[in-house]
Amino acid sequence: SQQGEEDPQALSIQEGENATMNCSYKTSINNLQWYRQNSGRGLVHLILIRSNEREKHSGRLRVTLDTSKKSSSLLITASRAADTASYFCATALGSNDYKLSFGAGTTVTVRA
Amino acid sequence: KAGVTQTPRYLIKTRGQQVTLSCSPISGHRSVSWYQQTPGQGLQFLFEYFSETQRNKGNFPGRFSGRQFSNSRSEMNVSTLELGDSALYLCASVIDRVGAGELFFGEGSRLTVL
Repeated sequence: SQQGEEDPQALSIQEGENATMNCSYKTSINNLQWYRQNSGRGLVHLILIRSNEREKHSGRLRVTLDTSKKSSSLLITASRAADTASYFCATALGSNDYKLSFGAGTTVTVRA
Repeated sequence: KAGVTQTPRYLIKTRGQQVTLSCSPISGHRSVSWYQQTPGQGLQFLFEYFSETQRNKGNFPGRFSGRQFSNSRSEMNVSTLELGDSALYLCASVIDRVGAGELFFGEGSRLTVL
């Protein structure tokens, strides 16, 4: 069963706009990670945020984590056509736990 | 540095057959995990190997098995294939040091069962 639930399922935006997607999970976690997947390809790690962190940035990505609400959000600023992909959140229960529980993903389409 | 390599990339099998998929992790990475991705169930954890030992296992039937060799390369096997086994099988490796959590995924092996 999947621990993470993502919202929205799909998102269509204009190039240059920001894209925000949310992830909720059910149990206490050690860390939450976001991955990107281009159609039919492997997953690419974007960012990892630990349970004692509230916000993290990486380039045009901003991730927040609210452990009290068991939720996280991923913001992509100034989107580009190359950002078109599916985005997945994944939770890990332990610090070196590689049994990740993935959400269903958000499909983002960036229109030129 | 070469990435995670999975072979074959595509394969077609018929029900009842068996299949073996291979994964070569990034050099120096000792942990290898396998995931199944289907449109209906999404991404699901199959198992994780570290130093030739299965360290963690997901909720899959015994038809799904794996192993890891001394050079960290891993294989997974699915016996008595069913239509529902059609999926993208993803392998991921990680360096496995304290505080590391990032998984590096291969491009996957797409299995079609007819």
